[in-house]
Amino acid sequence: ILNVEQSPQSLHVQEGDSTNFTCSFPSSNFYALHWYRWETAKSPEALFVMTLNGDEKKKGRISATLNTKEGYSYLYIKGSQPEDSATYLCASPALRQGGKLIFGQGTELSVKP
Amino acid sequence: NAGVTQTPKFQVLKTGQSMTLQCAQDMNHNSMYWYRQDPGMGLRLIYYSASEGTTDKGEVPNGYNVSRLNKREFSLRLESAAPSQTSVYFCASSEVWDHTDTQYFGPGTRLTVL
Repeated sequence: ILNVEQSPQSLHVQEGDSTNFTCSFPSSNFYALHWYRWETAKSPEALFVMTLNGDEKKKGRISATLNTKEGYSYLYIKGSQPEDSATYLCASPALRQGGKLIFGQGTELSVKP
Repeated sequence: NAGVTQTPKFQVLKTGQSMTLQCAQDMNHNSMYWYRQDPGMGLRLIYYSASEGTTDKGEVPNGYNVSRLNKREFSLRLESAAPSQTSVYFCASSEVWDHTDTQYFGPGTRLTVL
C-alpha cells in the first residue's frame, strides 16, 4: 500500500517568516505528486501537480520542489501572511494510470499577525 | 459555473438510519470521487467513478454505496449509519481519469452519527 507522509503535522509561525514542510513518498513507484491547499470551512484547492525529478513550481509566494530519486517534495512559503493559514495536503497517485490519489495527513500552518 | 456542489452541508443521523449525499459538477468532467476526512488523517478515497457508467471501490468502501446517475451527478449512500461514519465527506471531480489531472473539490458535508 502506498504511504504518503507529511511533516511536520502542524506549524506555527509569525507573519513575515518563511517556512517549509515536507511530503515523503516511496521513490520506487512514483508517478506524480499533487499539492493542495485547504482553508478551514472551504474546499481543498489545487496548488501544483509535479511529475519530473527536479521539477520546481511557483505560485506567488508559494513554491515546491520535487526529488523523485529520494522520494520527497518540499513546499516553501516566503514571507508568510495570515491568509496563508491552512492545511497543506500532498497526494500521490496509487497507480500510473488513473486518478486514484493517496493523500498525506496534511501539515496545518498557522500564521500569527 | 458553480463547480462542484454538495448537499446537504450538515446532517445529523441516528445509528441505523440511512441517507444519501448528493454531488453534482457542471464542468463536464468525466471522473468523480468521494472522500472522507477525519482528524489527523488525510483525505481517504471511498469510491470513485472513472467515467459515466462505471464505479469502483477506493481505500475505505465498507458501509457505503454509490451511484453515478449521469455525467454530472455522483451520489453516496449510507444504508445503515454507524458512529464510525461521523466525518466530513468531500466530493471531487476531474476532467479525465489520469494521474496528473487536478481534482476539484466540493464544499463538503459534515455528518454526525449519534
